[in-house]
Amino acid sequence: GAVVSQHPSWVICKSGTSVKIECRSLDFQATTMFWYRQFPKQSLMLMATSNEGSKATYEQGVEKDKFLINHASLTLSTLTVTSAHPEDSSFYICSARMATSGDTGELFFGEGSRLTVL
Amino acid sequence: GQNIDQPTEMTATEGAIVQINCTYQTSGFNGLFWYQQHAGEAPTFLSYNVLDGLEEKGRFSSFLSRSKGYSYLLLKELQMKDSASYLCAVLDSNYQLIWGAGTKLIIKP
Repeated sequence: GAVVSQHPSWVICKSGTSVKIECRSLDFQATTMFWYRQFPKQSLMLMATSNEGSKATYEQGVEKDKFLINHASLTLSTLTVTSAHPEDSSFYICSARMATSGDTGELFFGEGSRLTVL
Repeated sequence: GQNIDQPTEMTATEGAIVQINCTYQTSGFNGLFWYQQHAGEAPTFLSYNVLDGLEEKGRFSSFLSRSKGYSYLLLKELQMKDSASYLCAVLDSNYQLIWGAGTKLIIKP
């Protein structure tokens, strides 16, 4: 099946630093990738939709200058948390939709990245 | 507004059957997904329904009634490893996924 790899799985950083999380589709091309955040015991919350070659679409309440998303190729999207603060500590998950499956295609999820900001 | 409702938590016994319900009110409908998520892990795909009726996949089945805005996930022959959260999500008219808050399923021996 289709595989989405997310890196790093765990990251601990100091407050004020920036952290980059990568999301790669390993064996398929993904025109659309989604970034989610999940706080403990809560559901996934969509942060932004990333389309290859264009600017990401952010959900209401998500600061685009703080969460920088780059979808430079059909297999790679990155999320950079800039000037991270303890309240940004969360589980960040990406998912990708296969380019050939259209809008109703199954989503494939990365393993998630747990960010802890000290 | 758009809304997905599912129970917060359910408990069932190993070997039994459990049904997790999901009701939705969304702007348009292009399908309903069920995902399984173990604690600390990413969700994994279970099923996709876009037409009314029951879809069976091994121990798991998913049912959809579009007229009632209702779906359920049926888990048979429950195993301890089925303890997880089960997420219901609807693809709306803009092809955006609207997520439910998830149902935490606890399996007891």
